[in-house]
Amino acid sequence: DQQVKQNSPSLSVQEGRISILNCDYTNSMFDYFLWYKKYPAEGPTFLISISSIKDKNEDGRFTVFLNKSAKHLSLHIVPSQPGDSAVYFCAASRRNTGNQFYFGTGTSLTVIP
Amino acid sequence: DAGVIQSPRHEVTEMGQEVTLRCKPISGHDYLFWYRQTMMRGLELLIYFNNNVPIDDSGMPEDRFSAKMPNASFSTLKIQPSEPRDSAVYFCASSFWERGGHRELFFGEGSRLTVL
Repeated sequence: DQQVKQNSPSLSVQEGRISILNCDYTNSMFDYFLWYKKYPAEGPTFLISISSIKDKNEDGRFTVFLNKSAKHLSLHIVPSQPGDSAVYFCAASRRNTGNQFYFGTGTSLTVIP
Repeated sequence: DAGVIQSPRHEVTEMGQEVTLRCKPISGHDYLFWYRQTMMRGLELLIYFNNNVPIDDSGMPEDRFSAKMPNASFSTLKIQPSEPRDSAVYFCASSFWERGGHRELFFGEGSRLTVL
């Protein structure tokens, strides 16, 4: 069973607008969440993370929001740029008690110039 | 510093052949993970090692898959015999345990396997 789900396989957004990528998880024991970005023919690279003690973490144009009661997190990219076009993976872990990172299936973002 | 290095980048083989994928983790990292990327399951954990010792191989799909880590700087993932359904991109990632837990995984560029 997928413990981390990304229900939107793809998303298209106009340059300059906001991109919102969503992720749901089922395990309430997860306490650490990450977003990875992946370009074609490259490995995923770390983008931003959030601990369960927070509900928001911001890094430049990227903000991750965590709603623990809904078991939902989202990644906001503002403003979106063509270079942001990539596949975005959501991941979750139990940081202090486990070593596994559970990944979603990814959302392919296309930013249209 | 060099990142995680995987080889080969691309492998095309025929069904029944043995496939060996290789990984060199980042120096100093004490955890190594093997993932497989598929459309249906995304990034799926196959096995991970801590200090060269396999800790959890429950994600290895079948006995045809095996992984070793003979030392801190080298790991292999072997498929024998290979089947067309094994076609996927295989990623190696490494990490280090710090106070508070793993901060992030560092991925290699992946090995794209095609089994005909």
